[in-house]
Amino acid sequence: GAGVSQSPSNKVTEKGKDVELRCDPISGHTALYWYRQSLGQGLEFLIYFQGNSAPDKSGLPSDRFSAERTGGSVSTLTIQRTQQEDSAVYLCATRREANTEAFFGQGTRLTVV
Amino acid sequence: GIQVEQSPPDLILQEGANSTLRCNFSDSVNNLQWFHQNPWGQLINLFYIPSGTKQNGRLSATTVATERYSLLYISSSQTTDSGVYFCAVERPGGYNKLIFGAGTRLAVHP
Repeated sequence: GAGVSQSPSNKVTEKGKDVELRCDPISGHTALYWYRQSLGQGLEFLIYFQGNSAPDKSGLPSDRFSAERTGGSVSTLTIQRTQQEDSAVYLCATRREANTEAFFGQGTRLTVV
Repeated sequence: GIQVEQSPPDLILQEGANSTLRCNFSDSVNNLQWFHQNPWGQLINLFYIPSGTKQNGRLSATTVATERYSLLYISSSQTTDSGVYFCAVERPGGYNKLIFGAGTRLAVHP
């Protein structure tokens, strides 16, 4: 596609429920990143994919968070048993190869009530 | 890990004024990007500038990699320039993650 597409744009969920966030990368972009931005804060790295593998998962905050990428394309970030502190904007970025520009999607705003 | 510091943290300008935003980083980098996060939360690419100088309209940027800093210049500011400006860097070695600074929050008043 023309840009990085994330869905849904907004998600309100009850505490304890599981949620799935989706990222569709720009066509041909092999590297994909997930970040989290809490209200008024900077961007916190979560996980990086190269193709379908995840060489860097160091930013995942707990074992309730997981992510996968299939076909070197779409990625899904799953949060199990959501907590109120998971409320944030989840951003996906992709890029074609090393040492090139990264482009961000519009984000998914997650609210846990 | 690498540290990224942006200054000033907050900036208020009158429309038409010029400003300089700074990004200092603590280690060698092979990638540096400037982003503008608009009030709707969208991150907009401004510059991919691991070294040298680039200009795009009223905006320009300079990165001096050997001295570990980058500057973003905004001239003749407009209210639409308001938002948060982020600097992000990447260490050498391949597909490393972009490390973000805390940002500079800019408000341009008419």
